[in-house]
Amino acid sequence: GAVVSQHPSWVICKSGTSVKIECRSLDFQATTMFWYRQFPKQSLMLMATSNEGSKATYEQGVEKDKFLINHASLTLSTLTVTSAHPEDSSFYICSAPTSARTYEQYFGPGTRLTVT
Amino acid sequence: AQKITQTQPGMFVQEKEAVTLDCTYDTSDPSYGLFWYKQPSSGEMIFLIYQGSYDQQNATEGRYSLNFQKARKSANLVISASQLGDSAMYFCAMREGIEGNTGFQKLVFGTGTRLLVSP
Repeated sequence: GAVVSQHPSWVICKSGTSVKIECRSLDFQATTMFWYRQFPKQSLMLMATSNEGSKATYEQGVEKDKFLINHASLTLSTLTVTSAHPEDSSFYICSAPTSARTYEQYFGPGTRLTVT
Repeated sequence: AQKITQTQPGMFVQEKEAVTLDCTYDTSDPSYGLFWYKQPSSGEMIFLIYQGSYDQQNATEGRYSLNFQKARKSANLVISASQLGDSAMYFCAMREGIEGNTGFQKLVFGTGTRLLVSP
């Protein structure tokens, strides 16, 4: 089946620094990718839709200047958490549909971010 | 209003028994899809089953079946013959609209149900 990878799988950073998380579709091209955030023992909340070749679409309440998304190619989307704070500590998961005409989505394994 | 409601924060079941995880949804769009995902402690989201709003029959995938009651707006997951490896968080999710429309593939998740299978 389709595979989506994320890197790193976990990261610890200091308050005020920026962290970049990569999401790659390994065996298919993804014009759209989604970024979710999951706080401990909570559900996944959609943060933004990453669109190859155009600007990301952010959900209401998500600061686009804080969570920078770049869909650099048909297989790579990156999420950069800028000036991270402890409240940004969370599990970040990306997903990618295998095509525009299918409901199927494949999720990456997630990245656990801890900001100290 | 909550689009996806999972009222069971936790469920217990004995190995080899069947268990039903509840999910109700709210949408005014005639075209939508319902998903169930399993999230073990490792964090990965594992796709289990999908039901489209226009599908005539309830979806089944191996030991998983979806009890889709459109009039009641419910999409309960039934796991038959539970196994110890089924212990995990289970999320119900929904997408709205038709293919080609903006947001077609965006998913809204419920709060999840933690299933514990005992020997």
